Amino acid sequence: DAKTTQPPSMDCAEGRAANLPCNHSTISGNEYVYWYRQIHSQGPQYIIHGLKNNETNEMASLIITEDRKSSTLILPHATLRDTAVYYCIAPPRGSSNTGKLIFGQGTTLQVKP
Amino acid sequence: GAVVSQHPSRVICKSGTSVKIECRSLDFQATTMFWYRQFPKQSLMLMATSNEGSKATYEQGVEKDKFLINHASLTLSTLTVTSAHPEDSSFYICSATTPGPLTGQYFGPGTRLTVT
Repeated sequence: DAKTTQPPSMDCAEGRAANLPCNHSTISGNEYVYWYRQIHSQGPQYIIHGLKNNETNEMASLIITEDRKSSTLILPHATLRDTAVYYCIAPPRGSSNTGKLIFGQGTTLQVKP
Repeated sequence: GAVVSQHPSRVICKSGTSVKIECRSLDFQATTMFWYRQFPKQSLMLMATSNEGSKATYEQGVEKDKFLINHASLTLSTLTVTSAHPEDSSFYICSATTPGPLTGQYFGPGTRLTVT
């Protein structure tokens, strides 16, 4: 399995960019990096995923280092509604086709007014 | 698109009884559904993988006779907690994925189970 390491918590001022780091130094060449978030007492929400190129969608940007050992999720203009636990996940080897995801402890992002 | 629903959203049952939780993919066909459990202040723990028309695959340490999973159609999977005990009280979350290696997983809103 590709283990991911994230800081347990981060604060961000409302309106500023939130940069959430993730270390996945054991990731293999065919493993994608997925980001999900979970707002309190709700099901997780898909944010973005990538392999080696940087990705951007309407929610966030994903920056993956060239060696693929780490990545950063960027919320360009954080709002109070972005307060959540953010999970960085690299699916287990051999399971990419099934979508099996193993959640770590994630980063609790607190957006403050 | 890609909406997953769960029913009920909250349930309270007495110890020793069984409770069924439904997970539905509303606008897509889900060949694979997953069931997770989440205790307070903890992360999601994968319980089992459910494939339509076949037996579920349970994660290590999850009792298959206690947590019965049925995936009878491409839009419905059910989790039955049998002979529930207070320690089974938890937040149960399902997710569904569509065929293909690169699609995301779509999560339901979760079911809060309280066993008294």
